[in-house]
Parts: sequence; C-alpha cells; structure tokens
Amino acid sequence: AQSVTQLDSHVSVSEGTPVLLRCNYSSSYSPSLFWYVQHPNKGLQLLLKYTSAATLVKGINGFEAEFKKSETSFHLTKPSAHMSDAAEYFCVVSNSNDYKLSFGAGTTVTVRA
Amino acid sequence: NAGVMQNPRHLVRRRGQEARLRCSPVKGHSHVYWYRQLPEEGLKFMVYLQKENIIDESGMPKERFSAEFPKEGPSILRIQQVVRGDSAAYFCASSPSAVYNSPLHFGNGTRLTVT
Repeated sequence: AQSVTQLDSHVSVSEGTPVLLRCNYSSSYSPSLFWYVQHPNKGLQLLLKYTSAATLVKGINGFEAEFKKSETSFHLTKPSAHMSDAAEYFCVVSNSNDYKLSFGAGTTVTVRA
Repeated sequence: NAGVMQNPRHLVRRRGQEARLRCSPVKGHSHVYWYRQLPEEGLKFMVYLQKENIIDESGMPKERFSAEFPKEGPSILRIQQVVRGDSAAYFCASSPSAVYNSPLHFGNGTRLTVT
C-alpha cells in the first residue's frame, strides 16, 4: 500500500520569496512521484514527476523537487514566488506495479503582494 | 490538440435524480480514470477503464455508481438516486498507457451539487 502526507495544509509567502511545500510518502515498491497544481475551478496540471532517474527533478514554472529515499520525502520548492503561483498543490505517489495514484490532502498556497 | 474534455462543468441535481458525467480523453488515449474530490480533501481513485472494459472499480461505491467507456464515444460516470453526500468534484483523467509509465492528463472536472 502507498500513502502520501503533505505536512502543511496552507502556506503563505510574499511575492519574490522562496516557496517550500513538504511531502512525505510511504511505498512498498519503487515509487513514481508527482506534483500537480490545481488552480481554482480548473483541472490538475502536472508540475513535475520523478520516476527513478535523477533525484533532483525540474518542472515547469520554475518549480523543482528533490527525491530523498532515506527520508521518504519529495519536497517541492521554487526560489521566487509569483502571484500566479497561488493555487492548491498535490503530492502524488504511485507504485511501479500499480496504476492507482494516491493523492495527498493538498497544500493551499497564497502569495502576498 | 485538445486535452481531456469533461461536461458538464457544473451539474445540479435534486436528491433521487440521476447524474451523468461525460469524459472525452485525449485523442489516442485508451486508459481512462475517474477520481472524486470531496471538499478539503485530495482526489480519491474510483475506477479505471480501458476501451469497453472495466479494469478496476475498487474505489467506486458498489451501489448507485457505474462507469463505462464504450468503443465509440466518451466515458460515462453514472450516479443513480443521488444523495447529498455525492456532492463533489469528479475528475476524469486519461493516459496513453498504464499510469506508472506515464503521467495522467486531467480534465477540468464536473462539480456536482445535490440539493
């Protein structure tokens, strides 16, 4: 079985400052890990994915995430927040032998001007 | 290059009515997944279909809910005799192959409100 814990339900940052969204996972097998973003009343957009290649994964819009197996973490970062980054972010895990995705509960990001 | 198309975007039903949610996957994608998002929660897997076959419906309530993905036409998620607890956002996603090899493409969802 697999599961995801997003450690912060809400993160508030000032525009131009770094963003850190924390995610821990558990998985019985080699996991694939994803970060998705959901803007209000929109579908989910893939930011980045990890599938056992480089542990530092670069995504769209300046986001990146680092896979740390020893800490079972996959935290998402961005060096400088933009107003358009205000949205909900989901950390997602799937096992290599399972097609079901397990979603975290989500982290809502607000960006202050 | 159209993405996953879901309609309607918003659906209001009275208790006891039927809700039909439609999903057209990305062209060429033969794997369709339905997820439900309750308020303040992440998405929960409901059902996985390939053309004309239900592969896994373990996340779908056994009563009142059904899904299909016919050879021609969109995938349909059908909820009979809706109750207030069915109010949620329902997302469809598609992929060209089994999900662990390729990320899902999500639609914008159908927001069902049961009054």
